[in-house]
Amino acid sequence: QVQLQQWGAGLLRSSETLSLTCDVYGGSFSGYYWTWIRQPPGKGLEWMGEITHRGRTTYNPSLKSRVTISVDTSKTQFTLRLSSVTAADTAVYYCARTATVTTRAADLWGQGTLVIVSS
Amino acid sequence: EIVLTQFPVTLSLSPGERATLSCRASQNISSYLAWYQQKPGQAPRLLIYDASNRATDIPARFSGSGSGTDFTLTISSLQPEDFAVYYCQQRTNWPPVTFGQGTRVEIK
Repeated sequence: QVQLQQWGAGLLRSSETLSLTCDVYGGSFSGYYWTWIRQPPGKGLEWMGEITHRGRTTYNPSLKSRVTISVDTSKTQFTLRLSSVTAADTAVYYCARTATVTTRAADLWGQGTLVIVSS
Repeated sequence: EIVLTQFPVTLSLSPGERATLSCRASQNISSYLAWYQQKPGQAPRLLIYDASNRATDIPARFSGSGSGTDFTLTISSLQPEDFAVYYCQQRTNWPPVTFGQGTRVEIK
């Protein structure tokens, strides 16, 4: 059974760089977009960006200058980096798997990581 | 950017009742719409993709319809575990992929 397990620092100070990694256990690493989505406390979902197993990235234009997603196929993991964080970046961050052909939707999610940015 | 508007914001219903949730897109997105359910403290769960296809293991009481700009998620008979927040999502014209602001289905 495929699982996504995410990890990374949960407390940052303003101007630091957020870094979260999502390990993919089981299943194929190809044929999907590997996606990051975040949710500020009490608010809705925001798509941040995604990467294919070949490393092709697509980012939300609202974050494009600060976000980097990378992939390590040998470890079947992908990593989110968000630079120059502020309190507005406080959110639960989710990694997810999006099928490129079948559902074209996020059908598998990580457990979520609460990241708090303090000033 | 395609904006998705969900209504109502909150739906107050009793178990056993029928729930009808709406999602309107700011431009034509064909049938490329998904619905998710999110319970407190949990990650969202995919319910419906391509507007009307149930995802794996989703009960038949959940159904989706619509195309173009207007979409509906229907829960035919609310079960206690269905009280949650529901989001629609499009990825027709991306980036960015966008979500609606959510509809909360609460117990009346």
